Amino acid sequence: NAGVTQTPKFQVLKTGQSMTLQCAQDMNHEYMSWYRQDPGMGLRLIHYSVGAGITDQGEVPNGYNVSRSTTEDFPLRLLSAAPSQTSVYFCASSGTGRGQYFGPGTRLTVT
Amino acid sequence: AQSVTQLGSHVSVSEGALVLLRCNYSSSVPPYLFWYVQYPNQGLQLLLKYTSAATLVKGINGFEAEFKKSETSFHLTKPSAHMSDAAEYFCAVSEKSSGDKLTFGTGTRLAVRP
Repeated sequence: NAGVTQTPKFQVLKTGQSMTLQCAQDMNHEYMSWYRQDPGMGLRLIHYSVGAGITDQGEVPNGYNVSRSTTEDFPLRLLSAAPSQTSVYFCASSGTGRGQYFGPGTRLTVT
Repeated sequence: AQSVTQLGSHVSVSEGALVLLRCNYSSSVPPYLFWYVQYPNQGLQLLLKYTSAATLVKGINGFEAEFKKSETSFHLTKPSAHMSDAAEYFCAVSEKSSGDKLTFGTGTRLAVRP
């Protein structure tokens, strides 16, 4: 199993550009989520999904969209990037009662 | 609402010394508590979790944590630090034993001196 994979690893955007962060898992987990990690703030939940076709907002959803058309994939879309969205983004999944499995992260810089 | 507070953003210990990383929680419902470790430039890895089965929880790499309801604490310990333990450690709380919708603390960076 590859676990949770994320692409790209690094990305630089200009203010106002859009992009999609990809996340995939091969563990057949129902629950998937996106977090952002900022220095001194820990990880904060952006959006989550309890299954295909079902998504909901977390603590910091503004500026981000998600969709879940399949069990495996949970992309995060930035519609108009802002410098405040410079962060490290982690995708995670769970489904076995053993806690969440995290991907390796995407480091995003918005200039 | 749930929250966790990690006391000490940086902790430094000598190799072979006791590791103690502090976590206090606040929850209006019985909490499920987790400790995660993050090595440089990597994702988070689950160390251990408390789901009410036992108050002393043993995890990977020799770490353990004790749930103390009276103190609302879930401190992480390891009897003898190893150089490979240098990392950032996060305490987190959830309303579900599966660990969905985690609320994280701000993290504690552990340094291990030779």
